[in-house]
Amino acid sequence: AQKVTQAQTEISVVEKEDVTLDCVYETRDTTYYLFWYKQPPSGELVFLIRRNSFDEQNEISGRYSWNFQKSTSSFNFTITASQVVDSAVYFCALHTSGTYKYIFGTGTRLKVLA
Amino acid sequence: KAGVTQTPRYLIKTRGQQVTLSCSPISGHRSVSWYQQTPGQGLQFLFEYFSETQRNKGNFPGRFSGRQFSNSRSEMNVSTLELGDSALYLCASSTGVGYTLYEQYFGPGTRLTVT
Repeated sequence: AQKVTQAQTEISVVEKEDVTLDCVYETRDTTYYLFWYKQPPSGELVFLIRRNSFDEQNEISGRYSWNFQKSTSSFNFTITASQVVDSAVYFCALHTSGTYKYIFGTGTRLKVLA
Repeated sequence: KAGVTQTPRYLIKTRGQQVTLSCSPISGHRSVSWYQQTPGQGLQFLFEYFSETQRNKGNFPGRFSGRQFSNSRSEMNVSTLELGDSALYLCASSTGVGYTLYEQYFGPGTRLTVT
């Protein structure tokens, strides 16, 4: 079965704090893609990153970084020096070659307080 | 490049009615997917179309259907609406070509309320 778990329903941090959003996935497929999307209050999901199962390199993009660990089936997302504009719901998603479907986690609502 | 557009943005319908939602993908994108987003169930995959063919389908009843036109625009239809169909319906497009899976670009959604 394919599954994405985002155990953190809601996280509140104070501006400039670092925060990590957890994502754990399950799949038996050896070929798959993992994604992170951001959904601001306006409602439109915004693509943040894509990672395929053969590429375990961590990635950094500005204040955002992602840690992909196949050994623990995790694809965690860290925001350093958080800002109020980072407040949104963040979704982790899995797409496998077997089902050819996107499976989204339930999302983590991040609130960054000024 | 214009983003994914969805019409209408808001819709109020009565139980038992049917509704059609429209999605125009980003120019050049041939794949269109539909999702239902509710507070209780989160984001759930409805179906995906590529070159006018349904490529994949989620676990929704037959009341939910869709189609894609030759210009890649897509419509989804929900017949015999139920209160539980109230949700934000999101459309996403991607190039959808070949083995490499590209990211999806989402539209703003259509907020459907069934009374």
